[in-house]
Amino acid sequence: GAGVSQTPSNKVTEKGKYVELRCDPISGHTALYWYRQSLGQGPEFLIYFQGTGAADDSGLPNDRFFAVRPEGSVSTLKIQRTERGDSAVYLCASSNFGLAGADTQYFGPGTRLTVL
Amino acid sequence: AQSVTQLDSQVPVFEEAPVELRCNYSSSVSVYLFWYVQYPNQGLQLLLKYLSGSTLVKGINGFEAEFNKSQTSFHLRKPSVHISDTAEYFCAVSPGVDSSYKLIFGSGTRLLVRP
Repeated sequence: GAGVSQTPSNKVTEKGKYVELRCDPISGHTALYWYRQSLGQGPEFLIYFQGTGAADDSGLPNDRFFAVRPEGSVSTLKIQRTERGDSAVYLCASSNFGLAGADTQYFGPGTRLTVL
Repeated sequence: AQSVTQLDSQVPVFEEAPVELRCNYSSSVSVYLFWYVQYPNQGLQLLLKYLSGSTLVKGINGFEAEFNKSQTSFHLRKPSVHISDTAEYFCAVSPGVDSSYKLIFGSGTRLLVRP
Protein backbone atom coordinates (compact mmCIF):
# COMPACT_ATOMS: atom_id res chain seq x y z
CA GLY A 1 0.00 0.00 0.00
CA ALA A 2 0.94 3.65 -0.26
CA GLY A 3 3.14 5.15 2.37
CA VAL A 4 3.01 8.61 3.92
CA SER A 5 3.04 11.32 1.29
CA GLN A 6 3.85 15.00 1.69
CA THR A 7 3.30 17.91 -0.64
CA PRO A 8 4.97 19.93 -1.87
CA SER A 9 8.36 18.26 -1.81
CA ASN A 10 10.01 21.68 -1.95
CA LYS A 11 8.68 25.08 -1.04
CA VAL A 12 10.54 28.36 -1.45
CA THR A 13 8.94 31.43 0.03
CA GLU A 14 9.83 34.94 1.09
CA LYS A 15 10.18 36.15 4.63
CA GLY A 16 6.81 37.19 6.04
CA LYS A 17 4.71 34.98 3.78
CA TYR A 18 2.24 32.29 4.82
CA VAL A 19 2.79 28.63 3.89
CA GLU A 20 0.84 25.40 4.17
CA LEU A 21 2.43 21.96 4.15
CA ARG A 22 0.26 18.91 3.56
CA CYS A 23 0.57 15.36 4.87
CA ASP A 24 -1.38 12.29 3.71
CA PRO A 25 -0.91 9.50 6.25
CA ILE A 26 -1.16 5.78 5.66
CA SER A 27 -4.81 4.85 5.31
CA GLY A 28 -6.34 3.79 8.61
CA HIS A 29 -3.62 5.22 10.82
CA THR A 30 -5.19 7.17 13.66
CA ALA A 31 -2.01 8.84 14.92
CA LEU A 32 -0.15 11.54 12.99
CA TYR A 33 3.01 13.41 13.90
CA TRP A 34 4.92 16.41 12.60
CA TYR A 35 8.65 16.84 13.09
CA ARG A 36 11.13 19.46 11.92
CA GLN A 37 14.64 18.60 10.80
CA SER A 38 17.16 21.41 10.58
CA LEU A 39 20.37 21.01 8.63
CA GLY A 40 22.75 18.63 10.34
CA GLN A 41 20.30 17.77 13.10
CA GLY A 42 17.93 14.98 13.93
CA PRO A 43 14.18 15.45 13.63
CA GLU A 44 12.54 17.49 16.39
CA PHE A 45 9.00 16.74 17.56
CA LEU A 46 6.38 19.41 16.83
CA ILE A 47 2.88 18.00 17.31
CA TYR A 48 0.94 14.75 17.67
CA PHE A 49 -2.65 14.10 16.57
CA GLN A 50 -4.83 11.26 17.78
CA GLY A 51 -7.74 11.31 15.37
CA THR A 52 -8.86 14.88 14.76
CA GLY A 53 -7.48 16.38 17.94
CA ALA A 54 -4.01 17.60 18.78
CA ALA A 55 -3.07 15.45 21.76
CA ASP A 56 0.30 17.15 22.26
CA ASP A 57 1.41 20.38 20.59
CA SER A 58 4.20 21.12 23.03
CA GLY A 59 6.84 21.09 20.29
CA LEU A 60 5.40 23.93 18.22
CA PRO A 61 8.01 26.70 18.54
CA ASN A 62 5.60 29.65 18.75
CA ASP A 63 2.11 30.81 17.81
CA ARG A 64 3.06 31.32 14.16
CA PHE A 65 2.85 27.54 13.79
CA PHE A 66 -0.48 25.76 13.67
CA ALA A 67 -1.62 22.35 12.46
CA VAL A 68 -5.02 20.84 11.73
CA ARG A 69 -6.44 17.44 10.93
CA PRO A 70 -10.16 18.14 10.48
CA GLU A 71 -11.30 14.70 9.32
CA GLY A 72 -8.78 12.57 11.10
CA SER A 73 -6.79 11.80 7.97
CA VAL A 74 -4.96 14.52 6.01
CA SER A 75 -3.12 17.10 8.08
CA THR A 76 -1.91 20.58 7.21
CA LEU A 77 0.90 22.40 8.97
CA LYS A 78 0.47 26.14 8.67
CA ILE A 79 3.19 28.71 9.24
CA GLN A 80 2.37 32.41 9.38
CA ARG A 81 4.79 35.28 8.84
CA THR A 82 7.62 32.94 7.92
CA GLU A 83 11.13 33.73 9.12
CA ARG A 84 14.49 32.61 7.73
CA GLY A 85 14.94 30.45 10.81
CA ASP A 86 11.91 28.39 9.77
CA SER A 87 13.93 26.93 6.89
CA ALA A 88 14.11 23.18 7.45
CA VAL A 89 12.71 19.86 6.29
CA TYR A 90 9.28 19.25 7.75
CA LEU A 91 8.57 15.56 8.27
CA CYS A 92 5.24 13.90 8.78
CA ALA A 93 4.74 10.43 10.23
CA SER A 94 1.77 8.24 11.00
CA SER A 95 1.16 5.16 13.10
CA ASN A 96 -1.60 2.76 14.02
CA PHE A 97 -1.65 3.74 17.66
CA GLY A 98 -2.45 0.81 19.84
CA LEU A 99 -2.54 -0.08 23.51
CA ALA A 100 1.04 -1.30 23.49
CA GLY A 101 2.37 2.14 22.77
CA ALA A 102 5.64 2.83 20.98
CA ASP A 103 3.96 2.10 17.66
CA THR A 104 6.23 2.19 14.67
CA GLN A 105 6.07 5.62 13.12
CA TYR A 106 6.16 5.61 9.32
CA PHE A 107 7.72 8.74 7.90
CA GLY A 108 7.07 10.62 4.70
CA PRO A 109 9.87 12.01 2.52
CA GLY A 110 9.43 15.50 3.93
CA THR A 111 8.87 19.00 2.62
CA ARG A 112 11.97 21.14 2.30
CA LEU A 113 11.00 24.70 3.22
CA THR A 114 13.34 27.54 2.29
CA VAL A 115 12.56 31.04 3.50
CA LEU A 116 14.49 33.71 1.61
CA ALA B 1 14.76 16.55 29.71
CA GLN B 2 15.82 13.48 27.85
CA SER B 3 18.52 13.64 25.22
CA VAL B 4 20.26 11.35 22.78
CA THR B 5 23.93 11.58 21.91
CA GLN B 6 25.39 10.07 18.77
CA LEU B 7 29.10 10.38 19.29
CA ASP B 8 30.20 10.17 15.67
CA SER B 9 28.90 12.52 13.00
CA GLN B 10 30.46 10.42 10.23
CA VAL B 11 31.80 6.88 10.10
CA PRO B 12 33.76 5.82 7.01
CA VAL B 13 34.22 2.08 6.54
CA PHE B 14 35.25 -0.28 3.77
CA GLU B 15 32.77 -2.65 2.20
CA GLU B 16 32.43 -6.01 4.02
CA ALA B 17 33.99 -4.59 7.19
CA PRO B 18 32.09 -4.56 10.50
CA VAL B 19 30.66 -1.33 11.84
CA GLU B 20 29.36 0.03 15.13
CA LEU B 21 27.39 3.26 15.41
CA ARG B 22 27.28 4.57 18.95
CA CYS B 23 24.26 5.96 20.78
CA ASN B 24 23.89 7.07 24.39
CA TYR B 25 20.79 8.45 26.01
CA SER B 26 20.09 10.27 29.24
CA SER B 27 17.29 8.86 31.31
CA SER B 28 16.69 7.41 34.71
CA VAL B 29 13.36 5.85 33.77
CA SER B 30 12.27 3.17 31.39
CA VAL B 31 12.44 4.18 27.77
CA TYR B 32 11.84 2.75 24.36
CA LEU B 33 14.79 2.90 21.96
CA PHE B 34 14.89 3.03 18.19
CA TRP B 35 17.26 3.18 15.24
CA TYR B 36 16.06 4.77 12.01
CA VAL B 37 17.86 4.99 8.65
CA GLN B 38 17.45 7.80 6.16
CA TYR B 39 18.49 7.20 2.56
CA PRO B 40 18.93 10.24 0.29
CA ASN B 41 15.61 11.79 -0.71
CA GLN B 42 13.66 9.21 1.25
CA GLY B 43 11.77 9.18 4.52
CA LEU B 44 13.10 7.74 7.75
CA GLN B 45 12.75 3.97 7.92
CA LEU B 46 12.71 1.96 11.14
CA LEU B 47 15.65 -0.45 11.44
CA LEU B 48 14.84 -1.87 14.87
CA LYS B 49 13.40 -1.02 18.26
CA TYR B 50 13.77 -2.06 21.87
CA LEU B 51 10.69 -2.05 24.07
CA SER B 52 11.49 -4.68 26.69
CA GLY B 53 12.84 -8.19 27.07
CA SER B 54 16.00 -9.41 25.41
CA THR B 55 18.68 -6.75 25.31
CA LEU B 56 19.90 -7.86 21.88
CA VAL B 57 17.54 -6.66 19.18
CA LYS B 58 17.72 -7.79 15.58
CA GLY B 59 16.46 -5.57 12.80
CA ILE B 60 16.22 -5.40 9.06
CA ASN B 61 19.12 -5.53 6.60
CA GLY B 62 21.32 -7.51 9.01
CA PHE B 63 21.56 -4.80 11.67
CA GLU B 64 21.35 -5.45 15.40
CA ALA B 65 21.61 -3.34 18.53
CA GLU B 66 22.26 -4.04 22.17
CA PHE B 67 20.53 -2.26 25.01
CA ASN B 68 22.84 -1.62 27.95
CA LYS B 69 20.94 -0.09 30.84
CA SER B 70 23.95 0.46 33.11
CA GLN B 71 25.77 2.39 30.40
CA THR B 72 22.57 3.95 28.96
CA SER B 73 23.69 2.91 25.50
CA PHE B 74 22.05 1.40 22.45
CA HIS B 75 24.82 0.87 19.90
CA LEU B 76 24.00 -0.33 16.39
CA ARG B 77 26.14 -3.00 14.74
CA LYS B 78 26.47 -4.85 11.48
CA PRO B 79 29.10 -7.57 10.93
CA SER B 80 29.62 -6.85 7.23
CA VAL B 81 28.46 -3.69 5.49
CA HIS B 82 27.50 -3.15 1.85
CA ILE B 83 27.77 -0.09 -0.36
CA SER B 84 23.98 0.16 -0.15
CA ASP B 85 24.20 0.75 3.61
CA THR B 86 25.53 4.25 2.94
CA ALA B 87 22.97 6.50 4.62
CA GLU B 88 22.26 8.63 7.67
CA TYR B 89 21.41 6.70 10.85
CA PHE B 90 19.43 8.18 13.70
CA CYS B 91 19.07 6.86 17.22
CA ALA B 92 15.89 7.86 19.04
CA VAL B 93 14.29 7.45 22.44
CA SER B 94 10.73 7.79 23.60
CA PRO B 95 10.12 8.55 27.25
CA GLY B 96 8.28 5.35 28.16
CA VAL B 97 4.61 4.63 28.61
CA ASP B 98 3.15 8.12 29.15
CA SER B 99 4.77 9.79 26.15
CA SER B 100 5.74 6.86 24.02
CA TYR B 101 4.62 8.67 20.88
CA LYS B 102 7.21 11.44 21.23
CA LEU B 103 10.50 10.45 19.61
CA ILE B 104 13.63 12.34 20.66
CA PHE B 105 16.33 11.96 18.04
CA GLY B 106 20.08 12.21 18.10
CA SER B 107 21.86 14.35 15.54
CA GLY B 108 22.62 11.41 13.29
CA THR B 109 25.64 9.48 12.06
CA ARG B 110 26.48 9.37 8.38
CA LEU B 111 27.73 5.92 7.43
CA LEU B 112 29.92 6.07 4.35
CA VAL B 113 30.77 2.67 2.88
CA ARG B 114 33.69 2.66 0.46
CA PRO B 115 34.52 -0.09 -2.06
